Amino acid sequence: DIQMTQSPSSVSASIGDRVTITCRASQGISSRLAWYQQKPGKAPKLLICAASSLQRGVPSRFSGSGSGTDFTLTISRLQPEDFATYYCQQANNFPWTFGQGTKVEIK
Amino acid sequence: QVQLVESGGGVVQPGRSLRLSCAVSGFTFSNYGMHWVRQAPGKGLDWVAVISYDGRYKNYADSVKGRFTISRDNSKNTLYLQMNSLRAEDTAVYYCAKERTSYTSAELDYWGQGTLVTVSP
Repeated sequence: DIQMTQSPSSVSASIGDRVTITCRASQGISSRLAWYQQKPGKAPKLLICAASSLQRGVPSRFSGSGSGTDFTLTISRLQPEDFATYYCQQANNFPWTFGQGTKVEIK
Repeated sequence: QVQLVESGGGVVQPGRSLRLSCAVSGFTFSNYGMHWVRQAPGKGLDWVAVISYDGRYKNYADSVKGRFTISRDNSKNTLYLQMNSLRAEDTAVYYCAKERTSYTSAELDYWGQGTLVTVSP
C-alpha cells in the first residue's frame, strides 16, 4: 500500500498568514493527488484534484503543486473560515490512502 | 443539486451485521464510481471500498476484505455496504462519496453527511 505522510500534523497561524502543508507519498503517484478540507462534524470537501486543479467554487487563495512523491497545499492568505483539518489522498493505486491530516488552528 | 444521504447506522454487538445505504440524487448515478470512506471518532479518514459505475469492479481495504461487501442498485440510485462480523475497530462515521469524473476512477467530489456505526457489547 502507498503511505501518505503529511507535515506538519498541526500548525498555528494568524489571519492573513501564508500556510503550507506538505504531503509525501511512499512511491510515485504521478499527479493523482487530492486535497480535502474537513471542519468538525462535517463531511470532507474536495479542494484540489490532480495535484493542482482547483475545484469549482474553491477560493483562489488555495493552490496545490507537485508530482511524483512530493506535494504541497498552500493557503496564501488565511481566512477565518480556513481553520480546519486538511487531508491529502492518493488516487493512483487501490487501496486509496489518506494522509493523517493537518489541523490548522488559530494562533 | 447533488445529494448523498446515508442511512442504516446504529449500535451493534461485535460479530453481528449491519447494512448501510446511500441514496443519491442530482446526477446520473449509473455513470459514476462510488466509494465508502470511514472516520473513527477523533481520527483521520480511512478508505473502505469502491465500486465501479456498472458494479463490475470492486476493491476493498485489507481491514474489511472478506467481511464487508459493496454493491449498488442503479435502478434505485442507491449504494450499499453490507458489514458482517463487525469488530470494535469498525466503529466510525461512514461516508459514501461520488467520484469526480464519469466512467474513470477519480477523486471524490461529493460526500454524504455520514452515518455513525458503533460496535459495542
